[in-house]
Amino acid sequence: GNSVTQMEGPVTLSEEAFLTINCTYTATGYPSLFWYVQYPGEGLQLLLKATKADDKGSNKGFEATYRKETTSFHLEKGSVQVSDSAVYFCALSDINTGGFKTIFGAGTRLFVKA
Amino acid sequence: GAGVSQSPSNKVTEKGKDVELRCDPISGHTALYWYRQSLGQGLEFLIYFQGNSAPDKSGLPSDRFSAERTGGSVSTLTIQRTQQEDSAVYLCASSFTKGGVETQYFGPGTRLLVL
Repeated sequence: GNSVTQMEGPVTLSEEAFLTINCTYTATGYPSLFWYVQYPGEGLQLLLKATKADDKGSNKGFEATYRKETTSFHLEKGSVQVSDSAVYFCALSDINTGGFKTIFGAGTRLFVKA
Repeated sequence: GAGVSQSPSNKVTEKGKDVELRCDPISGHTALYWYRQSLGQGLEFLIYFQGNSAPDKSGLPSDRFSAERTGGSVSTLTIQRTQQEDSAVYLCASSFTKGGVETQYFGPGTRLLVL
């Protein structure tokens, strides 16, 4: 079945450091890929998405490229800020009986120090 | 427009009591998910409703957990005979599909504490 694997956290970085959070997936079809973010005390919200191979999703300085050859969707940001401290979830959505179904990775907690 | 809402926002109950958690999805969204998130943990899938299809209950941890979705809209997650290990944040999400892409929208969650 489909699955999503992302790097274990926590990840601790200093402000302005480069961020990479790895995500790989297994899917039988041609899924769409997502990154969701959960700020402290809040629910999850969509950060970015990519719907087909080689697409790049981007938002708030974050980027991720859909790499079909390596089944990956790594999240990157060139210069993190303290306000980026949150839990990041990689997810895929694939066709399922009657519609689509989304599954999530375990989440990676990011701490950014001033 | 209104997002996904959940009620109550917080619930404290005694071990052995039943609780009901409510989710109001975004109008027109055909799919609805329930997840559980324990302190510092990731998302644990519980149940998934998609249109008129039979729900996917594969994530429910025991027969004490059940959920229903009335009229394809509001959903209620019921936990019977609550246990302390049921303490967690219960998240609901609804989704729509456009152009072959499903996007989920999450509610703020219900924080359940079982004493």
